[in-house]
Amino acid sequence: DQQVKQNSPSLSVQEGRISILNCDYTNSMFDYFLWYKKYPAEGPTFLISISSIKDKNEDGRFTVFLNKSAKHLSLHIVPSQPGDSAVYFCAASGDNFNKFYFGSGTKLNVKP
Amino acid sequence: NAGVMQNPRHLVRRRGQEARLRCSPMKGHSHVYWYRQLPEEGLKFMVYLQKENIIDESGMPKERFSAEFPKEGPSILRIQQVVRGDSAAYFCASSPGRVNQPQHFGDGTRLSIL
Repeated sequence: DQQVKQNSPSLSVQEGRISILNCDYTNSMFDYFLWYKKYPAEGPTFLISISSIKDKNEDGRFTVFLNKSAKHLSLHIVPSQPGDSAVYFCAASGDNFNKFYFGSGTKLNVKP
Repeated sequence: NAGVMQNPRHLVRRRGQEARLRCSPMKGHSHVYWYRQLPEEGLKFMVYLQKENIIDESGMPKERFSAEFPKEGPSILRIQQVVRGDSAAYFCASSPGRVNQPQHFGDGTRLSIL
């Protein structure tokens, strides 16, 4: 039972434009959400998180938006850079704050 | 480097052998998680451990797989009598076990079964 879903396996964006990665979840008990970036042959790297008391969190070029009523979160990268090309995983926790549920990932390709 | 350390980075085994994967969590982290990533797939949760305790092993196959996190030393994921289907990248993550704190990952062990 996939509680966190990333329905787009891949996304291609031109350098300088906005990248929008989406994630949906089913468990209304989730209250902490995260995005990780993963390069080939490396482990996932924590990027940004948001708790359910907020609907937006920003860190430099990265902004995460949370829509609790729709059970949807998104990651915006502006402006996109070729170095952002990686696989992005969203994750969520809440019913047991020590257990995290991961989506299947979206492969972002930023074209120069 | 105070990050999550996994070793070996690459491990080659023949069918029927045992594989042992090690993970040292970040300093100050007492919670360890193991994930498996098959080629072209996402991260699949396997097991969650605290020191000397298995908290959740719902994602780990019932046979051939075991995990431990002893009082002293790294966490170990053990796969006995490996088969070709065990070939994957195995990632370890750790966290401090507090609310709203992210997990931090090691660079993984790539297990290849000949």
